[in-house]
Amino acid sequence: QQQVKQSPQSLIVQKGGISIINCAYENTAFDYFPWYQQFPGKGPALLIAIRPDVSEKKEGRFTISFNKSAKQFSLHIMDSQPGDSATYFCAASMKNTDKLIFGTGTRLQVFP
Amino acid sequence: EAGVAQSPRYKIIEKRQSVAFWCNPISGHATLYWYQQILGQGPKLLIQFQNNGVVDDSQLPKDRFSAERLKGVDSTLKIQPAKLEDSAVYLCASSPLGAAGGLYEQYFGPGTRLTVT
Repeated sequence: QQQVKQSPQSLIVQKGGISIINCAYENTAFDYFPWYQQFPGKGPALLIAIRPDVSEKKEGRFTISFNKSAKQFSLHIMDSQPGDSATYFCAASMKNTDKLIFGTGTRLQVFP
Repeated sequence: EAGVAQSPRYKIIEKRQSVAFWCNPISGHATLYWYQQILGQGPKLLIQFQNNGVVDDSQLPKDRFSAERLKGVDSTLKIQPAKLEDSAVYLCASSPLGAAGGLYEQYFGPGTRLTVT
């Protein structure tokens, strides 16, 4: 119930393509869904986040799509660049708590 | 603004030895978190402090792990004795107040990579 399932484990995309990473959850008490980006040797950094009262949030080339009924959310990276090559984690937390439950991560490689 | 500082960056110890990690959060951040990130997995929260009080330590293996945050600023995480399965990156994060379901961002440090042989 506390898990967040993430797929795929790894993703290879050509420069300019669209990268899509999916996450699914079971606990309907989750109400905050962030995505983190992590480069080798660095800590995760918040990329974009969404709450379940909206179905989509866009920031630049990054978009979260949220499907509350299916309990799924996904990250779309448009016009993927080599600099986007990193590991991406989805996460979730419940209302009025700080505890983030992370997915297992997706290693994205963008080739020129 | 300086980020979250952690030291050491790398540590190699033998099983049954003890080890300690240090974290200095962003100035003024009331909340401090320690996470364990095993290779190939997402970070898992070990303990959360609000100022110098513990908010959540439900996933901290208390028979071998301990943490303190004296004076509500710096924090240390200790493992004694270490086991092979403790090999991981230990991440420290801080936020201005309790993140309250995402109200405030958690800022992560670079982590300490621990290898237990």
